[in-house]
Amino acid sequence: GENVEQHPSTLSVQEGDSAVIKCTYSDSASNYFPWYKQELGKGPQLIIDIRSNVGEKKDQRIAVTLNKTAKHFSLHITETQPEDSAVYFCAATSEQKVTFGIGTKLQVIP
Amino acid sequence: DGGITQSPKYLFRKEGQNVTLSCEQNLNHDAMYWYRQDPGQGLRLIYYSQIVNDFQKGDIAEGYSVSREKKESFPLTVTSAQKNPTAFYLCASSIGAWGTNQPQHFGDGTRLSIL
Repeated sequence: GENVEQHPSTLSVQEGDSAVIKCTYSDSASNYFPWYKQELGKGPQLIIDIRSNVGEKKDQRIAVTLNKTAKHFSLHITETQPEDSAVYFCAATSEQKVTFGIGTKLQVIP
Repeated sequence: DGGITQSPKYLFRKEGQNVTLSCEQNLNHDAMYWYRQDPGQGLRLIYYSQIVNDFQKGDIAEGYSVSREKKESFPLTVTSAQKNPTAFYLCASSIGAWGTNQPQHFGDGTRLSIL
């Protein structure tokens, strides 16, 4: 089955700096990779996604890159703000299921 | 506004008791899912349903049961057979099931605790 590894598990950055979260997956059949943000006491919310026919996607301060050959994808947040503090999950989706990473707790220090 | 609603937000279970968590969506999505979230772990799939009147076991279905009698509703029952039910439970829905390359929309969860 699919295995998704996510690093780091915790990340602290100064406000205004960039944050990068990395995920690797094992199933080459995975073809859709969403990223979710979960605030305390809430459900995860989609922030950006990328499909396997695309190498990079950007939405304002958030970008995702995908390397299909190496089976890894990354989330980049630039100019971080305190409201970016949350837990971020990556996921890999195939025909059979979606597998989530264990999450990264991001803390943005004002 | 379209969305997915879980209730209650907090739930307490006594020993030997079954409890039911509610999940309702008005997004007209075909697929619905239940996940369990424990500290330091990712989301683990309990059950999923790709269409009304059909559902499949996920990775950790033991001690849980579901029904899908209506498109918009997918309740989860935590039975007394689930010996470690304390967790945060998340319901999600998507336009189609796996392979459709569509995101899942999540509710805000139900936190279940043992009395």
